Amino acid sequence: DAGITQSPRHKVTETGTPVTLRCHQTENHRYMYWYRQDPGHGLRLIHYSYGVKDTDKGEVSDGYSVSRSKTEDFLLTLESATSSQTSVYFCAISSTSGGPNEQFFGPGTRLTVL
Amino acid sequence: DAKTTQPTSMDCAEGRAANLPCNHSTISGNEYVYWYRQIHSQGPQYIIHGLKNNETNEMASLIITEDRKSSTLILPHATLRDTAVYYCIVRVNDYKLSFGAGTTVTVRA
Repeated sequence: DAGITQSPRHKVTETGTPVTLRCHQTENHRYMYWYRQDPGHGLRLIHYSYGVKDTDKGEVSDGYSVSRSKTEDFLLTLESATSSQTSVYFCAISSTSGGPNEQFFGPGTRLTVL
Repeated sequence: DAKTTQPTSMDCAEGRAANLPCNHSTISGNEYVYWYRQIHSQGPQYIIHGLKNNETNEMASLIITEDRKSSTLILPHATLRDTAVYYCIVRVNDYKLSFGAGTTVTVRA
C-alpha cells in the first residue's frame, strides 16, 4: 500500500471552531488532493496541490483552505467549521500529470461538526 | 470530462464473473477510461485504466467498445471481498478525478 496517513482519523468539533486535517505521505509524490465524501455525492475534490506551496481550488473549495510547506504534508483547514462540513475527508496522492496515472487514497478522516 | 452512466447496483454470485457496464457516449479522443472501487469506509482503490485497447491486470479486465462509447469492467472470479462501490471515470490527461455515484456491487455466497 502507498504510504499515506491521515490524522486525526476521527474528530468531533463544534460549529465555529477551527479544524486542521493532516495528510502525510512517504512516497515523495508531487501531487496531493483533498476530497470529501457525502451520501449521494460520491467524492468531490476540495483542493489540490501540484508542488510545494502550489495549490489550487477544486469543485467544493468554499470554507476550506490548504497549505503545503513540504512535499510530504498537505494540510486542510476549516477556518470556522459548519455543520455542512460534516463529512468523510480523503487525501490522495499521485506521481504524475499529463498522462494516465493512478491516485492512491488515504484511509479517510471522519469529521463531525455539531 | 465526459459524463459516465452506470447502473446503481448489481448482484453477483461468488465465483462467477461480474460484468460492470459503463456508458460514456461523449468521450473524446484523448480521454482515458478509469475504474476505481471503494470498499466500505475505505479510501478508493485504483483497478485499471484504458484508452482504446482492452486491458487486463491481476485484478480485472477492461473491455472498451470500438467506438469507445461504452466499456465493461470484468471481475473474472468474484469473491465476497469484491463487494464494493465501483466507479467508472472518464478523464482527460490531467490530474483531477471526478467521482459519480458508481455501481454498488454485492457478491453473494
